[in-house]
Amino acid sequence: GENVEQHPSTLSVQEGDSAVIKCTYSDSASNYFPWYKQELGKRPQLIIDIRSNVGEKKDQRIAVTLNKTAKHFSLHITETQPEDSAVYFCAASGGRGSARQLTFGSGTQLTVLP
Amino acid sequence: EAGVVQSPRYKIIEKKQPVAFWCNPISGHNTLYWYRQNLGQGPELLIRYENEEAVDDSQLPKDRFSAERLKGVDSTLKIQPAELGDSAVYLCASSPRPWAASSGELFFGEGSRLTVL
Repeated sequence: GENVEQHPSTLSVQEGDSAVIKCTYSDSASNYFPWYKQELGKRPQLIIDIRSNVGEKKDQRIAVTLNKTAKHFSLHITETQPEDSAVYFCAASGGRGSARQLTFGSGTQLTVLP
Repeated sequence: EAGVVQSPRYKIIEKKQPVAFWCNPISGHNTLYWYRQNLGQGPELLIRYENEEAVDDSQLPKDRFSAERLKGVDSTLKIQPAELGDSAVYLCASSPRPWAASSGELFFGEGSRLTVL
C-alpha cells in the first residue's frame, strides 16, 4: 500500500518568514495530494490540494508543489503569521482499490514565533 | 450546516473497561470513516462505511474493536476491553459519496480523545 513520509516533524519560524514542509510518497499511481491543518484540539481541515496533472498550485499565502518523477510534494507558507501555528498533515491517494483512500503523513508541528 | 458531530469529546477509563464513541455525519453523506490518531501521528483508517455496509475494515483490530452503522447514518465505535495502547484520538469523518475524499470532500469531526489508565 501507499506510504507517506513527512518532514520535518517540528518547525519553528519567525513571523513573516516562510515555512516549507515536505512529503514523499511510494505509490507512483497516487494522483491526489491534499494538505490538512489541525489546530490544537480541533478537527483536521483541508487547506489546499493538488492533482498529479498540475505541478504547482497557489492560494494566497500557501502553495503546494508536486514532483511526480521524484514522488514528492511540498507545502509552502509565505509571510507566516501566529495563526498559522498548527499541525500540518500531507496525504496521498489514488491508484486502485484501497489505494484510493487517503494515506496521511505523520504531521509537522509548525510554530510561528512573534 | 452542521459538521460531523462526535461524542464524547474526552473519555478517561481504566484498562479492561469498555468504551464507545458516537458519530453523526453530515446530513446526506453516505460514506463514513473512523480514524485513529495516535499522539504525534497522522490519522490512520480503521473502518469505512458505504451507507450501512462496512466496505473496508482491514485495519480494525477485530478482537477488541467493533463498529456499527445500523441505519446508514449515525455510527458507533466500541472498544472492549480497552488496553493502554488504545489511548488516542478517534476521528470520525464523512464524505458525500464513495471516493469523494480524493476530491477534497472529506470532513472530519473534532474527535474523541481516549485516555486509558
